[in-house]
Amino acid sequence: NAGVTQTPKFQVLKTGQSMTLQCAQDMNHNSMYWYRQDPGMGLRLIYYSASEGTTDKGEVPNGYNVSRLNKREFSLRLESAAPSQTSVYFCASSEGQGGNYGYTFGSGTRLTVV
Amino acid sequence: GNSVTQMEGPVTLSEEAFLTINCTYTATGYPSLFWYVQYPGEGLQLLLKATKADDKGSNKGFEATYRKETTSFHLEKGSVQVSDSAVYFCAFLNTGTASKLTFGTGTRLQVTL
Repeated sequence: NAGVTQTPKFQVLKTGQSMTLQCAQDMNHNSMYWYRQDPGMGLRLIYYSASEGTTDKGEVPNGYNVSRLNKREFSLRLESAAPSQTSVYFCASSEGQGGNYGYTFGSGTRLTVV
Repeated sequence: GNSVTQMEGPVTLSEEAFLTINCTYTATGYPSLFWYVQYPGEGLQLLLKATKADDKGSNKGFEATYRKETTSFHLEKGSVQVSDSAVYFCAFLNTGTASKLTFGTGTRLQVTL
């Protein structure tokens, strides 16, 4: 019962480097999300994908790009990492729209930009 | 705009004490409401939910009632255990083309023997 799998779990980048965070779900969910978690600020939505083939900006999209590669996979890319992007990143998925569907979260990627 | 406000932590309780974590929301319409829990080093897990006014969500001894008149969804547990130590997030569902949850800032609960 894998659920939502994120890789890597930890990463240290130098300012200006690029990287892609990977996320895959095996529950046949339609919607996928990327959040960042920072102390005292809770979770903030970066990007989401309501369905395969669509992506939209969330609350804090600047400095990020995403790709919904297929129904299972939703990646987050940092083109030029900055110290302000040091955070814990969570991917989540949900079956569909409406209040009856909760999210399933991955275990997170802890990213440090130095 | 839409938002969730929850009490700041940390909340420190002795085992078997009564727990309340307050949560209020500001939203148009009637959103669905959720509580998520995050144990150390893990992702968030859905704890309970309520989708309409006066609904009570419950799970693992935790309860929360959707109060439309006070726009609140307070989390309660009658007798906490050390294993309940975690961060608790209140959240509500934005209406629209995707189920986008808006989270509160989280409340850390520490239960001691």
